[in-house]
Amino acid sequence: AQTVTQSQPEMSVQEAETVTLSCTYDTSENNYYLFWYKQPPSRQMILVIRQEAYKQQNATENRFSVNFQKAAKSFSLKISDSQLGDTAMYFCAFMIVKDKIIFGKGTRLHILP
Amino acid sequence: DSGVTQTPKHLITATGQRVTLRCSPRSGDLSVYWYQQSLDQGLQFLIQYYNGEERAKGNILERFSAQQFPDLHSELNLSSLELGDSALYFCASSVGRAQGTIYGYTFGSGTRLTVV
Repeated sequence: AQTVTQSQPEMSVQEAETVTLSCTYDTSENNYYLFWYKQPPSRQMILVIRQEAYKQQNATENRFSVNFQKAAKSFSLKISDSQLGDTAMYFCAFMIVKDKIIFGKGTRLHILP
Repeated sequence: DSGVTQTPKHLITATGQRVTLRCSPRSGDLSVYWYQQSLDQGLQFLIQYYNGEERAKGNILERFSAQQFPDLHSELNLSSLELGDSALYFCASSVGRAQGTIYGYTFGSGTRLTVV
């Protein structure tokens, strides 16, 4: 069975700093996708970034980037120049082809003014 | 607005009662997924429908059931409610089973169920 582990339940950083959220996963599959979702206080689930496992290049979306280490089964999210609006719960998620998304338990991120 | 509509947004009911949560997927999306998020927890997969047919089941209780109708909207029925069923219930949709892997899901804003 696939599992997703987020080892940091909660983090706080100052505004404008860079922060990295960790995620590891376990699977025997070779073809899969990884996602980071953001859940702000409004509770809406928002897709932040996605990564295809067959791509070696790390995905980036503006201030958000990932460090995908396939052999280590690691998928961390880096937020650069953090902003107050980045305060949210962040979920790492995993999906094998044509299956459901499995979520980690989340990391609560606080951006401090 | 994500395009996925969930109603109602909030629901308060007593133990032992039955409720129905409704989800309208984004236009063109054929797959609907239901997730349960208990307080400060991750999302637990309940069930998936694709074009009216059940395609995958998670740890969904026997007291819970769902269906997807010909117009592709879906309903999640929760019966004999217990205090522990209090949670945020999300519906998500994707174009198809394959497309879901590429784009991820589009989530609704959730239904917050409180059982008292």
